[in-house]
Amino acid sequence: EPEVTQTPSHQVTQMGQEVILRCVPISNHLYFYWYRQILGQKVEFLVSFYNNEISEKSEIFDDQFSVERPDGSNFTLKIRSTKLEDSAMYFCASRPWEGQETQYFGPGTRLLVL
Amino acid sequence: SQQGEEDPQALSIQEGENATMNCSYKTSINNLQWYRQNSGRGLVHLILIRSNEREKHSGRLRVTLDTSKKSSSLLITASRAADTASYFCATDDSGGYQKVTFGTGTKLQVIP
Repeated sequence: EPEVTQTPSHQVTQMGQEVILRCVPISNHLYFYWYRQILGQKVEFLVSFYNNEISEKSEIFDDQFSVERPDGSNFTLKIRSTKLEDSAMYFCASRPWEGQETQYFGPGTRLLVL
Repeated sequence: SQQGEEDPQALSIQEGENATMNCSYKTSINNLQWYRQNSGRGLVHLILIRSNEREKHSGRLRVTLDTSKKSSSLLITASRAADTASYFCATDDSGGYQKVTFGTGTKLQVIP
C-alpha cells in the first residue's frame, strides 16, 4: 500500500540554522499539507499546497517558513532561521483529490533546535 | 477556543473491555476523522464520518456523530494491548482545501 514518506526521521540543528524537511507524498495525490506537533501538545496545521501554490496557511507559518514541490514528487518544508520553539515533530500529509477527504500522514520528522 | 476537545484526557482499561472516547467541537464541519498515534510515532487514519452521517463502523471501531451537539464518540470494542495509543479527533471545517483541526487527544492504555 502506498505511503507518505519523510526524511530525515530525526534532525538536530543549531538555532539560526536553516533546515529542510522532505516528504514524498503518495504519487497520485494532489493536495499536500504540513502539520507540526510540539511535544505533549496537539497537532497544528501549518500550510496546505495545491496546484503548485500555497492554498492556506496558519499564523504559525510566518516568513521563516516556505514550502516547495521542486520536482513533482518531493514536497519540502524549509525553515530559514530556526528558533528553539521550532522544536517539534513535523508531519507531512497528502490527499488524493476533491471529494476524497482522508489525509494520509507520513511518520514525521522530529526536529530539535539547540 | 479549541475546535476539538477530547475527553477523557486519559483512559486506562483492561484488555477485553470497551473504550469510549468523546470529542466536542465548536464550528460546523464537513466531516470528522479519528486518528491514532502510537507514542512518538506518526498519525494513522482510522475512520472518517461525514456531517450527514450519524454512525459508522469499521471492524472493532464504532464512531457516532451528533452535529446538533457538535460531538462525536469513538468506541473501541474488545480492546487489545495493541490499542494502547493516543486517539485524536480532527475536524474538517474549512470547506476549501480541507485542512483538518486536531483535538487534544485521549491517551488510552489497555492493560493486558
